[in-house]
Amino acid sequence: NAGVTQTPKFQVLKTGQSMTLQCAQDMNHNSMYWYRQDPGMGLRLIYYSASEGTTDKGEVPNGYNVSRLNKREFSLRLESAAPSQTSVYFCASSEAAVNTGELFFGEGSRLTVL
Amino acid sequence: GDSVTQMEGPVTLSEEAFLTINCTYTATGYPSLFWYVQYPGEGLQLLLKATKADDKGSNKGFEATYRKETTSFHLEKGSVQVSDSAVYFCALSDNSGAGSYQLTFGKGTKLSVIP
Repeated sequence: NAGVTQTPKFQVLKTGQSMTLQCAQDMNHNSMYWYRQDPGMGLRLIYYSASEGTTDKGEVPNGYNVSRLNKREFSLRLESAAPSQTSVYFCASSEAAVNTGELFFGEGSRLTVL
Repeated sequence: GDSVTQMEGPVTLSEEAFLTINCTYTATGYPSLFWYVQYPGEGLQLLLKATKADDKGSNKGFEATYRKETTSFHLEKGSVQVSDSAVYFCALSDNSGAGSYQLTFGKGTKLSVIP
């Protein structure tokens, strides 16, 4: 089972460039999430989509946009990358709300902004 | 707001040693509590959870008890193995309203187990 698949796994950008991180899940989950992981900071929620057709801001949404393309896919876009966005990005999905269910994570995408 | 505090790492133990990773939380109401584990090069995966006070979550020999009086959810394992080497994250979600879509994570504790 593929689970949650993220692409690309590695990316180097120059300041000001744009890019989109893609995420797809094959578990028929309703909810999808984007987190960033920084050393000593744990994981912080960027955006989430509780269900197809909805998106909401998380803890650190500035500088990012998201699109819930369909039930399977949830993309994260950096319109004008900044060095502060150097991080490891994780996509995750869940069948329902996280207080009762389980988050399933992808393997991560390591982004470096020069 | 909600917050989770974990013991600082890294933690290095010999195989078969006893493991405790401390986790305390601050939250309004009665949150659900989780431990997630991240093996090298992988995403996080749920290790165990507890949704109400005095619940004990357990999985793969790991245990944690939801202690409301001390606002804690410490992770324990009686005998660690090299394969337990990973980063462990404590997390909480609130239980207010119809459902919560936000997990608050601690900073993570790196565990290394040596043979």
